[in-house]
Amino acid sequence: NAGVTQTPKFQVLKTGQSMTLQCAQDMNHNSMYWYRQDPGMGLRLIYYSASEGTTDKGEVPNGYNVSRLNKREFSLRLESAAPSQTSVYFCASSVGQRNEQFFGPGTRLTVL
Amino acid sequence: KNQVEQSPQSLIILEGKNCTLQCNYTVSPFSNLRWYKQDTGRGPVSLTIMTFSENTKSNGRYTATLDADTKQSSLHITASQLSDSASYICVVSAGKADSWGKLQFGAGTQVVVTP
Repeated sequence: NAGVTQTPKFQVLKTGQSMTLQCAQDMNHNSMYWYRQDPGMGLRLIYYSASEGTTDKGEVPNGYNVSRLNKREFSLRLESAAPSQTSVYFCASSVGQRNEQFFGPGTRLTVL
Repeated sequence: KNQVEQSPQSLIILEGKNCTLQCNYTVSPFSNLRWYKQDTGRGPVSLTIMTFSENTKSNGRYTATLDADTKQSSLHITASQLSDSASYICVVSAGKADSWGKLQFGAGTQVVVTP
């Protein structure tokens, strides 16, 4: 039982390049999330998926797209990376009425 | 303005000593409050979750308190260990308890435990 896994762990992009961050969970959770974490700030929600086949915008969705490929996988795509997207990205999944969230190890992205 | 404010921003404590971290929030309506521990280079891990009716909850050497009237919470670490060095994040959930959560994250308190 690996929990929530993310790939890659580190990535460096040039401005304008595109890439997809991958996330998978093996806990049979319905809901999945993408957050970004910047220094001195709390985690901010980019997109979430309440269940397979649905996605919704969070607090900071501009510049990102997501795909809920199946119940296990939820990917985040940067179509044209910008330096402002330099951040640590966390994927999470949740279960139950209290929405207890389980986080992956994060992807550290630098956009030059 | 962040609806979840944590203090102090950072603190250094000696191994074996106790410490208390503070969290003030303005999130409304309130559903529940969580404390997470985030080790350097890792994702956050849940320590406690408290609802409106719970005013204290323990997880080993970690004890969280909640005063929903004053909208304040604290996390007390007893007999600190080197492994307690981490960022501690206060998270408040708004809305109904069965909603998807609308979590509001604090910026965290960085704790360093020294030998």
